[in-house]
Amino acid sequence: QSALTQPASVSGSPGQSITMSCTGTSSDVGSYNLVSWYQHHPGKAPKLMIYEVSKRPSWVSDRFSGSKSGNAASLTISGLQAEDEADYYCCSYAGSNASKVFGGGTKLTVL
Amino acid sequence: QLQMQESGPGLVKPSETLSLTCTVSGGSIDTRNYYWGWIRQPPGKGLDWIGSIYYSGNTYYNPSLKSRVTLLVDMSKNQFSLRLTSVTAADTAVYYCAREGFTIFKDAFDFWGQGTMVTVSS
Repeated sequence: QSALTQPASVSGSPGQSITMSCTGTSSDVGSYNLVSWYQHHPGKAPKLMIYEVSKRPSWVSDRFSGSKSGNAASLTISGLQAEDEADYYCCSYAGSNASKVFGGGTKLTVL
Repeated sequence: QLQMQESGPGLVKPSETLSLTCTVSGGSIDTRNYYWGWIRQPPGKGLDWIGSIYYSGNTYYNPSLKSRVTLLVDMSKNQFSLRLTSVTAADTAVYYCAREGFTIFKDAFDFWGQGTMVTVSS
């Protein structure tokens, strides 16, 4: 199984919206609505932001939203804030003995 | 409040076995709602799922690591553990334990330990 493809970096100014992509294949993202997104500040534990493509845990701001089209998933952050600056990883269920595959991560910079 | 803490040697010699334990407090491993997993992050790289285990002992592993990985659960101690054999420098990473949703937060890792750095070097 190959890692999901994420852009290395995205950036935006405070208050703006950004969208980052996560591209997989018909064997993972395209076949299952089981994509999750994680926010990771270096040195800290990763934090679940989105699960099952678009569901948001209770501890996550509604500024975060997820979607999927075909083999690609997306994470949108609206009203960017300085504390949103972090690395973001997507993850998908990949069938075949319940495997999981992560993306390479996207570094979000808030300008 | 759930807490998860990884423990084990920070330095392992090449060709030897890496062994880590995750101790769970504030909640029971003996639950049908979750699996318990291991994820690692090599320096400067992304996250890599290693494998997950259910309270019953049912396991599933990353196919690329399957031949070298064993996960075990010890409900009496509320712990689960990772064994990775024949390690090389490529196994140097921060190792995280995490709770993986089964009936809720399906196939997502909703709670993570702080991680522990393991270096493979002679």
